[in-house]
Amino acid sequence: KAGVTQTPRYLIKTRGQQVTLSCSPISGHRSVSWYQQTPGQGLQFLFEYFSETQRNKGNFPGRFSGRQFSNSRSEMNVSTLELGDSALYLCASSLWTTQADEQFFGPGTRLTVL
Amino acid sequence: AQTVTQSQPEMSVQEAETVTLSCTYDTSESNYYLFWYKQPPSRQMILVIRQEAYKQQNATENRFSVNFQKAAKSFSLKISDSQLGDTAMYFCAFMKRRAQKLVFGQGTRLTINP
Repeated sequence: KAGVTQTPRYLIKTRGQQVTLSCSPISGHRSVSWYQQTPGQGLQFLFEYFSETQRNKGNFPGRFSGRQFSNSRSEMNVSTLELGDSALYLCASSLWTTQADEQFFGPGTRLTVL
Repeated sequence: AQTVTQSQPEMSVQEAETVTLSCTYDTSESNYYLFWYKQPPSRQMILVIRQEAYKQQNATENRFSVNFQKAAKSFSLKISDSQLGDTAMYFCAFMKRRAQKLVFGQGTRLTINP
């Protein structure tokens, strides 16, 4: 079974631009979560989607948004990029049953904002 | 809100030695999971071991075992017979049951020396 895939793997943008990152979960997984990883703040939860609905949201400004499609693929969007948005963005998927809440991570998208 | 604290930013041991990574957490929840994730230089986040809070028995996965002290809110990871491939960042994480939101500690950088 293929793992979680994220595209693109690397991205360079300039301040003020917007960016869209994509995540394809493991087949059959319906929950997709997004995390931001920076040296200063560590790993922080952005949001989680299940059946095309956002169920949880972290403490990030409204410039960060996401969505999930009917095939469980998810995208996150960051508008009006700031230098501080430079980070590794990790996506994780979960089967979400009573016995399997663990999350499986993708390789991440490295975003650099210049 | 839940918090996770890893008090050892860096650790270094010789190959074949045993090493213990510390983690404490704070929560008022009664149903939750605890995890240890490993992030090698490739940045791929890999689940090492998980513990359900309602289980008193400590989880074990081959050379990896945990010491879960629920009353003390402590969750340490023991790596036996350490190998060069164990070199990585190790993150302790908390998840409220069925919340699909991981709260991570700041990580411990573990280096296994030949």
